[in-house]
Amino acid sequence: QKEVEQDPGPLSVPEGAIVSLNCTYSNSAFQYFMWYRQYSRKGPELLMYTYSSGNKEDGRFTAQVDKSSKYISLFIRDSQPSDSATYLCAMKETSGSRLTFGEGTQLTVNP
Amino acid sequence: GAVVSQHPSWVICKSGTSVKIECRSLDFQATTMFWYRQFPKQSLMLMATSNEGSKATYEQGVEKDKFLINHASLTLSTLTVTSAHPEDSSFYICSARAPGTTNEKLFFGSGTQLSVL
Repeated sequence: QKEVEQDPGPLSVPEGAIVSLNCTYSNSAFQYFMWYRQYSRKGPELLMYTYSSGNKEDGRFTAQVDKSSKYISLFIRDSQPSDSATYLCAMKETSGSRLTFGEGTQLTVNP
Repeated sequence: GAVVSQHPSWVICKSGTSVKIECRSLDFQATTMFWYRQFPKQSLMLMATSNEGSKATYEQGVEKDKFLINHASLTLSTLTVTSAHPEDSSFYICSARAPGTTNEKLFFGSGTQLSVL
């Protein structure tokens, strides 16, 4: 079983839709939760970073962490065609330096 | 935000040759850099952690003699794929940690697509 599970999609939505991206994990020691956006053939770009459980909002993006369910989400409001990319979740324990990534969900926002 | 430059962005080489990929932190000094490999539609897999002035730490299953890492300065780390074979074809990405930050806020290079014929 993978430590981090992420639905690879692809996910296709119309412009303006609310997008929900999710990851589940099995390692209860994960305390840091990140979401990265990766355009084709490019390096990942950090979007959101959350410590432990709770919500965090940044513009059109909201990250949620539910440690009791080992479930994290990224919501994108008023989605735009420029949001079309692969979204990767990543997690880290308190100690150590290793980030564990999900496989990424490919999102297409259609004009 | 901090900028990490990776070069080249793509390379095609013949089987048996060696390829060097450079990763530079442009506006900060990075004591620690990381090298990842990503196969199509798969997750980023950490290959090794590169520390300035010391030997790299390789992940289990990664051949250190095949993937040579050099971090000779605070702004440059290089990954050399020696005697490359078609199975080494992949997308290689470096990342760096800015001073005063932890690994939750890594900055990534733009990646290098390696194709071995």
